[in-house]
Amino acid sequence: SQKIEQNSEALNIQEGKTATLTCNYTNYSPAYLQWYRQDPGRGPVFLLLIRENEKEKRKERLKVTFDTTLKQSLFHITASQPADSATYLCALAGSGNTPLVFGKGTRLSVIA
Amino acid sequence: EADIYQTPRYLVIGTGKKITLECSQTMGHDKMYWYQQDPGMELHLIHYSYGVNSTEKGDLSSESTVSRIRTEHFPLTLESARPSHTSQYLCASSENLGGGNTIYFGEGSWLTVV
Repeated sequence: SQKIEQNSEALNIQEGKTATLTCNYTNYSPAYLQWYRQDPGRGPVFLLLIRENEKEKRKERLKVTFDTTLKQSLFHITASQPADSATYLCALAGSGNTPLVFGKGTRLSVIA
Repeated sequence: EADIYQTPRYLVIGTGKKITLECSQTMGHDKMYWYQQDPGMELHLIHYSYGVNSTEKGDLSSESTVSRIRTEHFPLTLESARPSHTSQYLCASSENLGGGNTIYFGEGSWLTVV
């Protein structure tokens, strides 16, 4: 069955460092991969979308890569700040009109 | 800022009660969704809608039902609540279906059944 794995439940890093979160998937060939941020008690908020034919996408301090051979996406936050502390979810969808499937998320804590 | 609203935000009800969680969006989106999320766990899609008078079941079986009589409104109903229904319910919408579309989420409704 389809499976999405996000590298760890929790990741702690020092302020100013680059945070790298991993999203691996199996038994799936997604055409799209999205990353969302979720703060405690709130709904997820969209951050970035990357298509299967794109290797990399950037937005301000955020960078996403998509490697369909490795079946993996990496999500980077450069110059991390305590305000970046949240849970980050990856989500995948095929090429048709199918809803997104979400991973469990990685809880990032940026320590000042 | 997403224009999608859920009420109530928090609710504690007794077993066997009927409950309707309200969801409204002002973005004119055709596609709407209900996700269920337990603390620290992944989002599971329980219902979605392509548009008015359309409802589909998601990948997680749910005893809840939904209706879509108006574009902007997608309520979720539990006819007889049980403690196993205790969870966070997130409503969402998008312009179109498919992974190339951004999903906009509401703030969620926390339901506790005692």
